[in-house]
Amino acid sequence: GQNIDQPTEMTATEGAIVQINCTYQTSGFNGLFWYQQHAGEAPTFLSYNVLDGLEEKGRFSSFLSRSKGYSYLLLKELQMKDSASYLCAVPPRNTDKLIFGTGTRLQVFP
Amino acid sequence: DTEVTQTPKHLVMGMTNKKSLKCEQHMGHRAMYWYKQKAKKPPELMFVYSYEKLSINESVPSRFSPECPNSSLLNLHLHALQPEDSALYLCASSPGGGYGYTFGSGTRLTVV
Repeated sequence: GQNIDQPTEMTATEGAIVQINCTYQTSGFNGLFWYQQHAGEAPTFLSYNVLDGLEEKGRFSSFLSRSKGYSYLLLKELQMKDSASYLCAVPPRNTDKLIFGTGTRLQVFP
Repeated sequence: DTEVTQTPKHLVMGMTNKKSLKCEQHMGHRAMYWYKQKAKKPPELMFVYSYEKLSINESVPSRFSPECPNSSLLNLHLHALQPEDSALYLCASSPGGGYGYTFGSGTRLTVV
């Protein structure tokens, strides 16, 4: 089965850096996704990691350690519009499923 | 076209009504999905279609009935729902192989 855990809520200040962690246990690893979701809207794709290491994309970076079953999303230069839920998700090998973690609600304060 | 389109955006229905949610994609994706999302919770997988055939049913009650008329369309037929079924219903598609998932903007369903 799959077990994907994230902190439930985080708060941060505008302009700061925040790291959102995700730990997972899955039957066969096939990559890990990060999505952003504003309230009442669809999840939007942020990043995809399949190899160990850091992937940087503008203000957002994502890190993966397959041996530790661990990933994090790093958000730099936080803006108010970054207040949203952040979901990590894994597609177990040999299935078409995409299973979401528990999600982290991030609030950015001025 | 790189979008998944869902209609309607909002739906209010009574517990004795029958209604349908619709989803459409023109990206040539072979896999299509229905997810249910309650407030402050992550999306939960309901159904997966692959090549227009139902491949995964995550033990969803029979009052939810999916249908895939062709490779671009996915429907979710609703009948005799309960108030606790009120949620955001998300459709998604992917080429398969565990990547390239695209989500629609969802249907906000309220059962009264």
